Amino acid sequence: NAGVTQTPKFRVLKTGQSMTLLCAQDMNHEYMYWYRQDPGMGLRLIHYSVGEGTTAKGEVPDGYNVSRLKKQNFLLGLESAAPSQTSVYFCASSSSTGVNYGYTFGSGTRLTVV
Amino acid sequence: RKEVEQDPGPFNVPEGATVAFNCTYSNSASQSFFWYRQDCRKEPKLLMSVYSSGNEDGRFTAQLNRASQYISLLIRDSKLSDSATYLCVPAFNDYKLSFGAGTTVTVRA
Repeated sequence: NAGVTQTPKFRVLKTGQSMTLLCAQDMNHEYMYWYRQDPGMGLRLIHYSVGEGTTAKGEVPDGYNVSRLKKQNFLLGLESAAPSQTSVYFCASSSSTGVNYGYTFGSGTRLTVV
Repeated sequence: RKEVEQDPGPFNVPEGATVAFNCTYSNSASQSFFWYRQDCRKEPKLLMSVYSSGNEDGRFTAQLNRASQYISLLIRDSKLSDSATYLCVPAFNDYKLSFGAGTTVTVRA
């Protein structure tokens, strides 16, 4: 049982380049999330989705776009990468039972923008 | 005021010691609470869930004080493997969590 899988695990981009981070979950979870984590700042929510075809902005959405065309996948796009987007990106998912049982996280993507 | 505030530490303790730390939260509507553990450069992993006044799981005890809006985590008989950053996470509804920046614990031999 894979849980939450993120690809790629590492990436180096040049300023202005674009890329897409893929998150896939096999737990049939309704909710999916993208966070970034920077030293000393904790996890900050970028975008989230409460179901297939829906997305919403989180705390730090600027410079990112997302799509949830299939229930199991949540894509995070950087249209024009900037050095400020150098970070570790975590995807997470959770179920929709009406009680919050917490998130399951992917192993992260380490992105460096030069 | 931040939604979640934690003492960043680090708490440096010898093996076998007891260590405890608190977390305060600002949203009184929070219904459930979690402690996550994060090892260096790894993803956060769920350590404990707290749905009522507290929870105990082996050497780990979490206590919730709704009146004062804080939760605590106590680790007894610390092991080297307990060295990690512990994230306090209140839930505001059935799908959204708010993460604290974490408390770092280092257990030394």
